[in-house]
Amino acid sequence: KAGVTQTPRYLIKTRGQQVTLSCSPISGHRSVSWYQQTPGQGLQFLFEYFSETQRNKGNFPGRFSGRQFSNSRSEMNVSTLELGDSALYLCASSLEGKGEEQFFGPGTRLTVL
Amino acid sequence: AQSVTQLGSHVSVSEGALVLLRCNYSSSVPPYLFWYVQYPNQGLQLLLKYTSAATLVKGINGFEAEFKKSETSFHLTKPSAHMSDAAEYFCAVSHNNAGNMLTFGGGTRLMVKP
Repeated sequence: KAGVTQTPRYLIKTRGQQVTLSCSPISGHRSVSWYQQTPGQGLQFLFEYFSETQRNKGNFPGRFSGRQFSNSRSEMNVSTLELGDSALYLCASSLEGKGEEQFFGPGTRLTVL
Repeated sequence: AQSVTQLGSHVSVSEGALVLLRCNYSSSVPPYLFWYVQYPNQGLQLLLKYTSAATLVKGINGFEAEFKKSETSFHLTKPSAHMSDAAEYFCAVSHNNAGNMLTFGGGTRLMVKP
């Protein structure tokens, strides 16, 4: 069974640009969550999608948004990039959510110059 | 609100020694608790999880953790460290009311000396 895949793996952008990251969950998984990992703030929850609906949202500005498609694939978008958005963005999937194991992808490393 | 505290951002042990990584949580409702491991340039891998079935939870690679409600702790242990255990370890909490939102501790980097 294929694991969670994230594309691209590495990305370099400049301030003010926008970026879209993609996540393909494990087949059959309907819950997709996104996390931001930085040396200063650690691992922080961004949002969770389940059946194309945002089920939970973390404490991030509106520049961070996401969506989920009918095949459970998810994208997250960051607009008007800031230097502080440089981070590893991790996607995780699970069957239904609510206390289940989440399977993490390898992440997308975003660098904002 | 829920939070997780991992005592010690860096822990160093000798190969063959006991590994003890500490995790304390706060949660207003019964929690689900997890330990994840992260190797360099990789995502997170689940070591074990507590979901109220048993207080002593056994995970992969010889790790185990004990849920102590009175101490609000979920410390991770392994009797004998191996060089391959060197990685960063994260404790996390979620609860049924919050969907699948994980709140992570700050992480503990485990170093294993030969």
